[in-house]
Amino acid sequence: EVQLVESGGGLVQPGKSLRLSCTASGFIFGDYAMHWVRQAPGKGLEWVSSIRWNSGNMDYADSVRGRFTISRDNAKNSLYLQMNSLRAEDTALYYCARARPTEWGAFDIWGQGTMVTVSS
Amino acid sequence: DIQMTQSPSSLSASVGDRVTITCRASQGIDNYLAWYQQRPGKVPKLLIYAASILQLGVPSRFSGSGSGTDFTLIISSLQPEDVATYYCQNYDSAPSTFGPGTKVDIK
Repeated sequence: EVQLVESGGGLVQPGKSLRLSCTASGFIFGDYAMHWVRQAPGKGLEWVSSIRWNSGNMDYADSVRGRFTISRDNAKNSLYLQMNSLRAEDTALYYCARARPTEWGAFDIWGQGTMVTVSS
Repeated sequence: DIQMTQSPSSLSASVGDRVTITCRASQGIDNYLAWYQQRPGKVPKLLIYAASILQLGVPSRFSGSGSGTDFTLIISSLQPEDVATYYCQNYDSAPSTFGPGTKVDIK
């Protein structure tokens, strides 16, 4: 079964760091671009970051650039999001998502999400 | 950055009705447009990509059209299981952007 499972979320104080992980199974992880998308409680979807299959290109939303770093380890079928200098407005459910084959966007597989709450 | 708008923001329709949702990009994105369905409390689901191609397994009552800046999602005959929020997404280039969503419920 094709699956993405996120982990690493939790309650963190403003200014602190958190590292999210996403483990893939059921497909050749290294063949796909991967993304992080977040959704604040009761709000819409916000694209956060992306990484190409070979880590050659990483992109970020303006709201997280300079604070968040995306990475991947194809040998471990894993995607990561290092989040530094967290702010209250980063509170959201964070999804990892797989891009359609040979594409950068259009996300055909989503994880269940991991909740990040930034609060003192 | 490319801004995405959707209309209406919400709608209520009867079972069997034809439902139309529009999405507009602030600049041309060719056909790099996807539609997602998010049922209450659930994970988003890809319905349509490349503006008009139905994702495998999605019912044929869903269809998409458009190119450039104006796009449309149509549900030809609304079903109870279609109660959800629908989002368009531009994936022409980074940053990708989502529309604000259209909430659909049953009258």
